[in-house]
Formats: sequence, structure tokens, C-alpha cells
Amino acid sequence: DSGVTQTPKHLITATGQRVTLRCSPRSGDLSVYWYQQSLDQGLQFLIHYYNGEERAKGNILERFSAQQFPDLHSELNLSSLELGDSALYFCASSPHGFGNTGELFFGEGSRLTVL
Amino acid sequence: AQSVAQPEDQVNVAEGNPLTVKCTYSVSGNPYLFWYVQYPNRGLQFLLKYITGDNLVKGSYGFEAEFNKSQTSFHLKKPSALVSDSALYFCAVRDPPYNTDKLIFGTGTRLQVFP
Repeated sequence: DSGVTQTPKHLITATGQRVTLRCSPRSGDLSVYWYQQSLDQGLQFLIHYYNGEERAKGNILERFSAQQFPDLHSELNLSSLELGDSALYFCASSPHGFGNTGELFFGEGSRLTVL
Repeated sequence: AQSVAQPEDQVNVAEGNPLTVKCTYSVSGNPYLFWYVQYPNRGLQFLLKYITGDNLVKGSYGFEAEFNKSQTSFHLKKPSALVSDSALYFCAVRDPPYNTDKLIFGTGTRLQVFP
């Protein structure tokens, strides 16, 4: 158990809908990273938040947004969903924003299916 | 941009035999390289990392990796494979700008260990 909690574990929804994925980092970790894992794209970095502040952005669609709250949990919002958004979404945490050993602690993911 | 390549989609090995999972990298500056493992329906787990120092890095579960600067490789190895090692293995590199510890992952190699 990594100590990173993601909810929901599974989510089935329809095209055009909006969903929110939630991540609680390990106790004391200030950084949260979001990744998307799909069969055709592999593991893609989406966004990194450190202590409520956006630190880095990857290939995140404009339909997607994220935030990190004062209690350090993070939410990834996906809107106007398309079939291609079906994927496993991972959250990872680490103690610092930068200069860490580089080890990220991953949650077990939220599997999104768009029908 | 930093990147890693995993040339093999799948590696098959008999239990008790040595295993190698290949990774090559392309970076500017000093590489920060990592191996992660993903078991079915689980998140990624950290195995080992190379930051600096000894070219042979030892990690979890008896795995090790050899950093080779001249060949720009960071192959994962284990002297004697176990059936329980069967999983998906990812090589990763830390990606600048250096105000984030975000990792860029390879496409993954599926390791199958046969009894």
C-alpha cells in the first residue's frame, strides 16, 4: 500500500459528461502528479501541483483541469468526455516539489470508461 | 526533450534464468533514471533509481540496473527470475524544467516468467 488514495476506482459514464477524480496524497507529501495510462498512448504526464501551486503541465487537454486544495488533496476534472478519454488515471505523490530523490508514490488508479 | 525507449514489448524467460529488460535514454545533461513495476490492477511501484555514482544500482526484490553512459542504456536485470516477477516494467527519466520531479515514462515491457 503506497498510502496514496484514489477515488473512485471505477467509473462508467457517457460521452459529453463531466467527471471528477479525487486523489489524497501520502501523509505529509506536498506534491501531486496526475498521469493518464491508455493502451495507445502509454503513460502520459498530465500535471503537477506542489502545495496548491501548479508546477508543470504536460499533454493535458483543455477539457481537463486540476487543482490542489489546502488540505493537499487534488481533483482532476474531465469534461465533455469523448470515447478516447477512456483510460486509467493515476495520481502520484512525493514529499517535495523538486529536488526529491525522484521516487513517486502511485495510487491504484481510477479506471474511466466512456461509452 | 528527455526521453526513454523500451525496445521490447514483451520479454519471456524461464523461472530460474537471468532476465534483462532493456531501456535506452536520450537526455541533455546528467540523467536521472528510474525503473518502476506495475502488477495487474495495481499502481506503479518504485524499483530503483540512478542519480549519480556507482553504475550498478541495486533495488527492490533482487533487481538491479546497469547504467552505461557510452551506450546510453539503463537495463534492468535479475540473476534468477521468479514467476512472481511477471508484470509490466517501466523505465523513466526525470524531465526538466528542474522545478518539478515529473517523470517521463517509456512504453513499458511486459515480463512473462514461465515455470
